Amino acid sequence: DAKTTQPTSMDCAEGRAANLPCNHSTISGNEYVYWYRQIHSQGPQYIIHGLKNNETNEMASLIITEDRKSSTLILPHATLRDTAVYYCIVSGGGADGLTFGKGTHLIIQP
Amino acid sequence: EAGVAQSPRYKIIEKRQSVAFWCNPISGHATLYWYQQILGQGPKLLIQFQNNGVVDDSQLPKDRFSAERLKGVDSTLKIQPAKLEDSAVYLCASTSTGTAGYTFGSGTRLTVV
Repeated sequence: DAKTTQPTSMDCAEGRAANLPCNHSTISGNEYVYWYRQIHSQGPQYIIHGLKNNETNEMASLIITEDRKSSTLILPHATLRDTAVYYCIVSGGGADGLTFGKGTHLIIQP
Repeated sequence: EAGVAQSPRYKIIEKRQSVAFWCNPISGHATLYWYQQILGQGPKLLIQFQNNGVVDDSQLPKDRFSAERLKGVDSTLKIQPAKLEDSAVYLCASTSTGTAGYTFGSGTRLTVV
C-alpha cells in the first residue's frame, strides 16, 4: 500500500498558484518525498524531491513540514498544461522502487 | 539527452497469445524498472533490474510474465499466454544511482481481446 494520502481531485484557476497537499505520517528518517505527474496518455514525469529542506526548481516548489509528516507541492503560476494526475511518493531513493498511489487529479480551469 | 524509448506504442492481441515489449533506457542508467498501469490506477512495479541482475520481481506474475536485461542495457518484457486482465499500459523507467528521479518512457498500451 502507498504510504501517502492525497486528495482525489482539485481545481485551480489558470495563472494562480496550485497547492497540492500530501500526508506521509509514517515517513522514516532516510526516506525522501518525491513528486511526479502524469499527463493523459504519457508516462509519469519527475517534478521534484526533498528530504527535509524546502526545495525549488524550474517546475515547482516543495514545502516539507518540520516534523516531515506532510508536504505541499506548489506550482506557482498554473497553466492549462499543468492539468494532470500528481503523485506524492515516499522512497529511500536509489535502489528503492516507487510505490504509486492514486494521486491527485489537478484540473486547471481557464 | 534522449529519453527512455519503448516499443511498440500500441498492441492488440487475443487472449492466450503472446506479446513482447521492448525498452531502451537512458544511456548510463544502471537501474531499469517495468511498471503496469491499469486504467484509473497508479503504476504498479513489476520488476526492477540493476545492470543485468534482478533486484525485485516480487510482484511479477511469473507463471505468465518474464523479463530480461541480458547485457545490462535494453530490456524485454514478455507475456505468455495473455489474459484479458493484462490489458494495461506497460511503462519502462530508468534511473542513475543515488536519489535522482526516474525517467519514464511513454509506455506500451496493451489491449487483450
